[in-house]
Amino acid sequence: QKEVEQNSGPLSVPEGAIASLNCTYSDRVSQSFFWYRQYSGKSPELIMSIYSNGDKEDGRFTAQLNKASQYVSLLIRDSQPSDSATYLCAVNIIITSNTGKLIFGQGTTLQVKP
Amino acid sequence: EAQVTQNPRYLITVTGKKLTVTCSQNMNHEYMSWYRQDPGLGLRQIYYSMNVEVTDKGDVPEGYKVSRKEKRNFPLILESPSPNQTSLYFCASTPRDRVNTEAFFGQGTRLTVV
Repeated sequence: QKEVEQNSGPLSVPEGAIASLNCTYSDRVSQSFFWYRQYSGKSPELIMSIYSNGDKEDGRFTAQLNKASQYVSLLIRDSQPSDSATYLCAVNIIITSNTGKLIFGQGTTLQVKP
Repeated sequence: EAQVTQNPRYLITVTGKKLTVTCSQNMNHEYMSWYRQDPGLGLRQIYYSMNVEVTDKGDVPEGYKVSRKEKRNFPLILESPSPNQTSLYFCASTPRDRVNTEAFFGQGTRLTVV
């Protein structure tokens, strides 16, 4: 089992719809979870971080974390064509008491159609 | 401006010709790492460094070397490049005292080995 798993997609949604991106992880003690957006050929940029169970909202983006189910998701409301990109889920895996390593999923490609 | 700078952005080379990709950050971060990104495989860590003179292998270290003589620089060295090292490479840095936080990425280096 991969440490961080995402459906590679593509996920296609019409403009204005809600896009739902999902991610599961294997390390039960992970404490930090991130969503990065990556446009083709560009570097990843952080769009959301979440550390505790529940929802975290930032503008049109909502991150949801369920540690019991080892599941983190990203909702994008009112999807725009400019949201078309690959979304990378990243989980911080604890190595020692004060070190960790970010593990990335393979990414989900989102296509928002006008 | 806080940034991670990689050079070159694009490189075409021949099999066996040693090359170095440079990475420099101006945020005084302790933790730096190199990733390669291939279609369908997401970001895979090559090497990482927790501080000056402290480096360790990531998930795919074969064929690569790194050094960390100064805090700001973390070059990636390919002693004898092969075509299977054709990929998109990213350098990233993170403050060590808050490993559970955002990774700042360089602009990427697209390497082709023929």
